[in-house]
Amino acid sequence: SAVISQKPSRDICQRGTSLTIQCQVDSQVTMMFWYRQQPGQSLTLIATANQGSEATYESGFVIDKFPISRPNLTFSTLTVSNMSPEDSSIYLCSAPGGPDTQYFGPGTRLTVL
Amino acid sequence: SQQGEEDPQALSIQEGENATMNCSYKTSINNLQWYRQNSGRGLVHLILIRSNEREKHSGRLRVTLDTSKKSSSLLITASRAADTASYFCATSDSGTYKYIFGTGTRLKVLA
Repeated sequence: SAVISQKPSRDICQRGTSLTIQCQVDSQVTMMFWYRQQPGQSLTLIATANQGSEATYESGFVIDKFPISRPNLTFSTLTVSNMSPEDSSIYLCSAPGGPDTQYFGPGTRLTVL
Repeated sequence: SQQGEEDPQALSIQEGENATMNCSYKTSINNLQWYRQNSGRGLVHLILIRSNEREKHSGRLRVTLDTSKKSSSLLITASRAADTASYFCATSDSGTYKYIFGTGTRLKVLA
């Protein structure tokens, strides 16, 4: 099984600023995923991050707002840019552990004032 | 939206009772999984059922899958207060590893 850690676990930020969330996997994975969970809602996929290529964004999410880096096979970052209160959410990263398994990080709880 | 639907949205039961929650999805799937989330924390994987399976058991959990109706159900038997959490179904199609999550059911088990 894969162990995924995220930093920070939570943060409170001012509107207009940016926050970078880090995701570390304890094994090499080709794909990593970033999800957003707005208060009281389900998880929505933001993008797929493959090492060595640009991230692939889902409908409704753009690179300027959520730039993603994937410098190696165990690490990825998601930046939430120019934040507004609507960006207050839990952000989770995940990685497949096989064709039928997906491991999730503990999430980063972001509050934007 | 590709998001699946779950019902009920919220469920409150007494300890010892059974809890059933349902999930409907929209596209062909490779497998369907159920996750639990406690108080907005990380997701805990509960059980996976493949598209060629109809029923699966794991401890107090029983999952069914009806691909003709594009629906699944999760039954938790003899519920405990510790089962209080949000439960999500998630589907993936073959090859992409992308998961589409249902809207979730908030379960509250009263002691």
